[in-house]
Amino acid sequence: GAVVSQHPSRVICKSGTSVKIECRSLDFQATTMFWYRQFPKKSLMLMATSNEGSKATYEQGVEKDKFLINHASLTLSTLTVTSAHPEDSSFYICSARDAKLAGRSSTDTQYFGPGTRLTVL
Amino acid sequence: DQQVKQNSPSLSVQEGRISILNCDYTNSMFDYFLWYKKYPAEGPTFLISISSIKDKNEDGRFTVFLNKSAKHLSLHIVPSQPGDSAVYFCAASRGGSNYKLTFGKGTLLTVNP
Repeated sequence: GAVVSQHPSRVICKSGTSVKIECRSLDFQATTMFWYRQFPKKSLMLMATSNEGSKATYEQGVEKDKFLINHASLTLSTLTVTSAHPEDSSFYICSARDAKLAGRSSTDTQYFGPGTRLTVL
Repeated sequence: DQQVKQNSPSLSVQEGRISILNCDYTNSMFDYFLWYKKYPAEGPTFLISISSIKDKNEDGRFTVFLNKSAKHLSLHIVPSQPGDSAVYFCAASRGGSNYKLTFGKGTLLTVNP
């Protein structure tokens, strides 16, 4: 159980285009999903917290107009990188928290997707 | 400001021996700690966690120790296996409904046959 998928796994795009990344919880409902990015040999940096049915909460320094997050259902959150530039090239990873376990179980934790490698030319 | 620190970027051990991965944190508000394992081009996989009310949690070959006074935790893997070779991330949370995780930079563990 607790499988999180991401699509696409890899995308290459031209500078100036927009790219949408999907994150799905396959066998559980996730009221909260998180979006991270990871640069080579660096840690995972939280970009934003996505709550189903409400606006995302962005971390300091993350442009909300550039990284659009939509969490329309309990199993799907999307991250859209708008007007992508080469400096946006990174590994984007989502995670989801099992709503049933939230706060009530020692196994309450985040389950991560496999990540999306974005390369902007 | 790196609130979760993994000062060893890499660690190499022999198969069958113990692997000890260390993690330090600075934020005394953290009350939940996790270890994740990550292979290249994949998302992290949850390994084991510990609440601040405990000082030890064991799951099979994996044991996490927490020393709150020292703001230090460690992950012990025994016996180490070649398949354990991966990057290990320490993460911490302040709890609450948002459950935001702060990650360390990771330690690359290599287990030699």
